[in-house]
Amino acid sequence: ETGVTQSPTHLIKTRGQQVTLRCSSQSGHNTVSWYQQALGQGPQFIFQYYREEENGRGNFPPRFSGLQFPNYSSELNVNALELDDSALYLCASSFEAPGANVLTFGAGSRLTVL
Amino acid sequence: AQSVTQLDSQVPVFEEAPVELRCNYSSSVSVYLFWYVQYPNQGLQLLLKYLSGSTLVKGINGFEAEFNKSQTSFHLRKPSVHISDTAEYFCAVSVRSGSEKLVFGKGTKLTVNP
Repeated sequence: ETGVTQSPTHLIKTRGQQVTLRCSSQSGHNTVSWYQQALGQGPQFIFQYYREEENGRGNFPPRFSGLQFPNYSSELNVNALELDDSALYLCASSFEAPGANVLTFGAGSRLTVL
Repeated sequence: AQSVTQLDSQVPVFEEAPVELRCNYSSSVSVYLFWYVQYPNQGLQLLLKYLSGSTLVKGINGFEAEFNKSQTSFHLRKPSVHISDTAEYFCAVSVRSGSEKLVFGKGTKLTVNP
């Protein structure tokens, strides 16, 4: 198992800019989820991708978008950055099968918006 | 909709003392329950999960949790903590629909003092 890797680990952007965060899922995992963790809060579900299609979305505006690729990698894109987008963004992968699926989380990308 | 309440934001304890981190949830449907741990500057690591069956669940690092359906609780316990257990602990639920969307509590910061 290679685990879930995310890049970059830290980045700083200014308000109004766009950002792309990347995630490499654990080998064999066909589902990826993204979570936003603001300082002092629990993670909040942004969306999930299964077999390259969006398969569930949380309460986030359309300027948050994603892609999943056949090689298990994925991206989170955020347009028109706002100060409140400053957070740790966590990627998690799993293999969808009947029943509960345990998510494997990456270490996250910490985004600071100035 | 589901919600999770972690009743204590911070729990300080001395090394080798027992600890209980409290978690209550709200849901109109059956749920799966999870506890995750987050060490500084790291992602989330699964401690344990309740899917079905025995209400007492044992996890890694000596932690255990008990599912109480009537009280809608899933409290985490450890009989003797170590300095290395200092971390943020998150309780989470997901519905039994095959969806992997996790709803997290706000977390409990456990600090183990010598």
